[in-house]
Amino acid sequence: GNSVTQMEGPVTLSEEAFLTINCTYTATGYPSLFWYVQYPGEGLQLLLKATKADDKGSNKGFEATYRKETTSFHLEKGSVQVSDSAVYFCALQKGSQGNLIFGKGTKLSVKP
Amino acid sequence: ETGVTQTPRHLVMGMTNKKSLKCEQHLGHNAMYWYKQSAKKPLELMFVYSLEERVENNSVPSRFSPECPNSSHLFLHLHTLQPEDSALYLCASSQDAGPGELFFGEGSRLTVL
Repeated sequence: GNSVTQMEGPVTLSEEAFLTINCTYTATGYPSLFWYVQYPGEGLQLLLKATKADDKGSNKGFEATYRKETTSFHLEKGSVQVSDSAVYFCALQKGSQGNLIFGKGTKLSVKP
Repeated sequence: ETGVTQTPRHLVMGMTNKKSLKCEQHLGHNAMYWYKQSAKKPLELMFVYSLEERVENNSVPSRFSPECPNSSHLFLHLHTLQPEDSALYLCASSQDAGPGELFFGEGSRLTVL
């Protein structure tokens, strides 16, 4: 079946460090891929998305590229800030009517 | 402020109680969802409503009973819950059922004693 696997957290970084959160997926065909973020005490928010192979989603300095050959959608940011501390969820959607399938989430803590 | 409001934010209940969670969306969306978020587990989709009709029920125990009286409101009625039902319950909405961008509320933290 369709599934999403994220790297285990928590991830702790110093401010201005480079961030990578790995995400791989299992699905037939060409799902759409998403990153959602959950700040403390809040619900999830869409961070970025990509709907076809080689697409790059970007928002707020975060980027992720849809890699069909490696079935991956890794999240990156060149210089993290304390305000980026949150839980990040990778998700896929199979088809235009499919529901989102989420990974377990990766908690990021950024220290000053 | 995402346009999706959940109440109460925190709820503690005994196993024999009956309570309800409420969700309201102000976005004019046609689809609404209940998700369960437990520690170290992926988000679990519980129910999906599209235009006030239930379109998906992912084998959720009958002690959870959803209600969608109109496209702006969604309830989750709870009765005779178990301690393992303690979790954060998230409501979400989207323009139509199925599309990628969901708008989530802040969640209702449920503790079952």
